[in-house]
Amino acid sequence: EVQLVESGGSVVRPGGSLKLSCAASGFIFDDYDMSWVRQAPGKGLEWVSGSNWNGAKTDYADSVKGRFTISRDNAKKSLFLQMDSLTVEDTAMYYCARDAAAGTDNWFDPWGQGTLVTVSS
Amino acid sequence: SYDLTQPPSVSVSPGQTANITCSGDKLGDEYVCWYQQRPGQSPILFIFQDNKRASGVPERFSGSNSGNTATLTISGTQTMDEADYYCQARVSRTGVLFGGGTKLTVL
Repeated sequence: EVQLVESGGSVVRPGGSLKLSCAASGFIFDDYDMSWVRQAPGKGLEWVSGSNWNGAKTDYADSVKGRFTISRDNAKKSLFLQMDSLTVEDTAMYYCARDAAAGTDNWFDPWGQGTLVTVSS
Repeated sequence: SYDLTQPPSVSVSPGQTANITCSGDKLGDEYVCWYQQRPGQSPILFIFQDNKRASGVPERFSGSNSGNTATLTISGTQTMDEADYYCQARVSRTGVLFGGGTKLTVL
């Protein structure tokens, strides 16, 4: 069974840092690009960051560029998101998702259960 | 900036057809996918590459994309289809975008 399990979410003060992890199982991890998508409470989905299969190519939403860093460890079948200089606007459920990219097209399947990040003083 | 626009809500009676739209400039030039999200749950892929159903998705769900509008159609809507639906596309020069989401109410 293909599975993604996120961890690392917690309550953090504005300006603080946090590192999220996503453990993958049930598929060949380094065959796939991966992404992080977030959802603020009561709001819609927002793509945050993506990594190609080997981590050599990464991309970020403008809202997190320069503050967040995506990385992966294919040997450990894990995806990470280092989040620095956090603000209250970063409060959200963070989902890890497998990116079934096909040329210029992509879709996310499956998604993990999410890990909650709360930025509050 | 490029946006994908969805109606905030759509209501439909059981057994009727629901259409959820997703609009963007020349959206028909891009592939669109759709996700279902029930309260408290993670999103699930329902439609990819405009009109392909993901594994396990009932045949009553279909998708289309032309011009400036992509549409998710639910034929013979059931109460279990009540959920939030999001469109998503990877738009050239902009990147990965989600629509704002549509809350489908079946009553």
